[in-house]
Amino acid sequence: AQSVTQPDARVTVSEGASLQLRCKYSYFGTPYLFWYVQYPRQGLQLLLKYYPGDPVVQGVNGFEAEFSKSNSSFHLRKASVHWSDWAVYFCAVWHNYAQGLTFGLGTRVSVFP
Amino acid sequence: EAAVTQSPRSKVAVTGGKVTLSCHQTNNHDYMYWYRQDTGHGLRLIHYSYVADSTEKGDIPDGYKASRPSQENFSLILELASLSQTAVYFCASRTGTGGIYAEQFFGPGTRLTVL
Repeated sequence: AQSVTQPDARVTVSEGASLQLRCKYSYFGTPYLFWYVQYPRQGLQLLLKYYPGDPVVQGVNGFEAEFSKSNSSFHLRKASVHWSDWAVYFCAVWHNYAQGLTFGLGTRVSVFP
Repeated sequence: EAAVTQSPRSKVAVTGGKVTLSCHQTNNHDYMYWYRQDTGHGLRLIHYSYVADSTEKGDIPDGYKASRPSQENFSLILELASLSQTAVYFCASRTGTGGIYAEQFFGPGTRLTVL
């Protein structure tokens, strides 16, 4: 069965610093991967999605992610973090049984001045 | 902008009682989903539907029923609420076209506390 692992439950970063959030997936076949963000007291919003092609995917708000088949990874990064990036970030893979998503546990990002 | 709304936004229920969570979308989307979010478990798929009057089981359907009376509305029903069903519940929708690349749009969530 497919699964997603986000090894870092919490990340703290200074405003203006770079950010990388790790995601490892387990999937039989070609994975279709997503990053979602959940701002405080809100639902989830799509940051970016990957489908077979260029391994580097550009998303909204300066986020990008890089797919690696050899490492089974889909890490998210941002060059310069803003205070508004304070949120929980979820990596997800398309569910090969139900027509939905399998999510990781999420990484909570805190941004300090 | 796609819109998914949920009601109620929060609810306190008693153990053994019946709870109905409602979801409404104005996106004209075919697919609708119910997920639950627990601390330490991320989001897990409970039920989904791809057409009115039909529902399908997700990963954790036990203890839940779903109802899709129209394309716009999708309900999650807890016939006998239990303490373990305390969680935040999210509804989502997506178009049937665009396949798996189609973005899921999430509602704001319903915080359910079972006492």
